[in-house]
Amino acid sequence: SQTIHQWPATLVQPVGSPLSLECTVEGTSNPNLYWYRQAAGRGLQLLFYSVGIGQISSEVPQNLSASRPQDRQFILSSKKLLLSDSGFYLCAWSVLKTARGVNTEAFFGQGTRLTVV
Amino acid sequence: GQQLNQSPQSMFIQEGEDVSMNCTSSSIFNTWLWYKQEPGEGPVLLIALYKAGELTSNGRLTAQFGITRKDSFLNISASIPSDVGIYFCAPHAGGTSYGKLTFGQGTILTVHP
Repeated sequence: SQTIHQWPATLVQPVGSPLSLECTVEGTSNPNLYWYRQAAGRGLQLLFYSVGIGQISSEVPQNLSASRPQDRQFILSSKKLLLSDSGFYLCAWSVLKTARGVNTEAFFGQGTRLTVV
Repeated sequence: GQQLNQSPQSMFIQEGEDVSMNCTSSSIFNTWLWYKQEPGEGPVLLIALYKAGELTSNGRLTAQFGITRKDSFLNISASIPSDVGIYFCAPHAGGTSYGKLTFGQGTILTVHP
């Protein structure tokens, strides 16, 4: 069965410090990978998605970057954190359903609660 | 860009009542997904819809993929306290944006015993 691991669960970082959040998926190959941010327990904002190694699509201009060094590894980074980077970060994966030709059924990690102080 | 509207933003209901929420968009989609999120957790998939007009049930939950492919609704019958959470729709367009998956703003559901 497929599993997704995201860590750390909580993180408190000072303004101006770097950030690295890691997400790995097991039990599947060539997944689509996603980073979302959720502020104040409401909407999920899509930050980045990747359909393959080294392929990153950025949805919103921001202080963050993403990388996919391996097929099942997705990393969210920042060189210098801002207060506004605080939030709940979620990693997700999905697989293209080639029989139906659609990408569907994304599965989420447990999330990282980031507080920038 | 596409506009995705989910309503209502929040609902306060009594246990046993039925619940209905929906998402509408200016764009056409190939898939509609419905998720539930509990506090401090990642969203969990409830129902996936793949065809226009499709009506799918999962226990007390029923969801439909609109005929125009621009909307979907989720109904919860006979609500119970454990239904509390945030419900999200997540449509997918496919095609050149096949990797992209965006979410509605969410509906916060509170159930009073």
